[in-house]
Amino acid sequence: QSALTQPPSASGSPGQSVTISCTGTSSDVGGYNYVSWYQQYPGKGPKLMIYEVTKRPSGVPDRFSGSKSGNTASLTVSGLQAEDESDYYCSSYAGSSNHVFGTGTKVTVL
Amino acid sequence: EVQLVESGGGLVQPGGSLRLSCAASGFTFSTYWMHWVRQAPGKGLVWVSRTNSDEGTTSYADSVKGRFTISRDNAKNTLYLQMNSLRVEDTAVYYCARGGYAAAFDMWGQGTMVIVSS
Repeated sequence: QSALTQPPSASGSPGQSVTISCTGTSSDVGGYNYVSWYQQYPGKGPKLMIYEVTKRPSGVPDRFSGSKSGNTASLTVSGLQAEDESDYYCSSYAGSSNHVFGTGTKVTVL
Repeated sequence: EVQLVESGGGLVQPGGSLRLSCAASGFTFSTYWMHWVRQAPGKGLVWVSRTNSDEGTTSYADSVKGRFTISRDNAKNTLYLQMNSLRVEDTAVYYCARGGYAAAFDMWGQGTMVIVSS
């Protein structure tokens, strides 16, 4: 199972929006609405930010939103804040009880 | 407090074995599927294995199939990963994660480092 493809980096100024893509295949992202997104600070465990493509867990700011079209999912962070500077990973169910993660994107707040 | 705490990592020679543990607290452990996910230094997350709530079914990534075994003790609220025939490429931080709705991982531990080196 190959990793989902994400851009290595993305950036924006405070208050701006940044969108991260996550490209897979019809066997994972395109085949299931089971895409999730995670935020990870250096040296820490990941935190769930989006699940089932568009849903936010309790406590996650509504500045974070998700979408999907075909084999590509996206995470948008609106109204960028300094604390949003972090690594972000997508994940998708890939059938047969397998899961696959994205390659990761480092978001920088300029 | 709801948390997962991993332990058991360390330095091991190639071909050796190690058993990781993940102690769960603050939620009804026995009702959740549980996963192991690893992250090599400077690299991305990679799913390793999962067990359903009663260990009735397990699943593994191809890279660890036949070498790693996931298990759980619901009476002790603890998840395990027995790692045998370790390889240099198994070097990583190993996280346990709770399986949430829609195949998401809704809670994570802080990780335990495994270094495979001679």
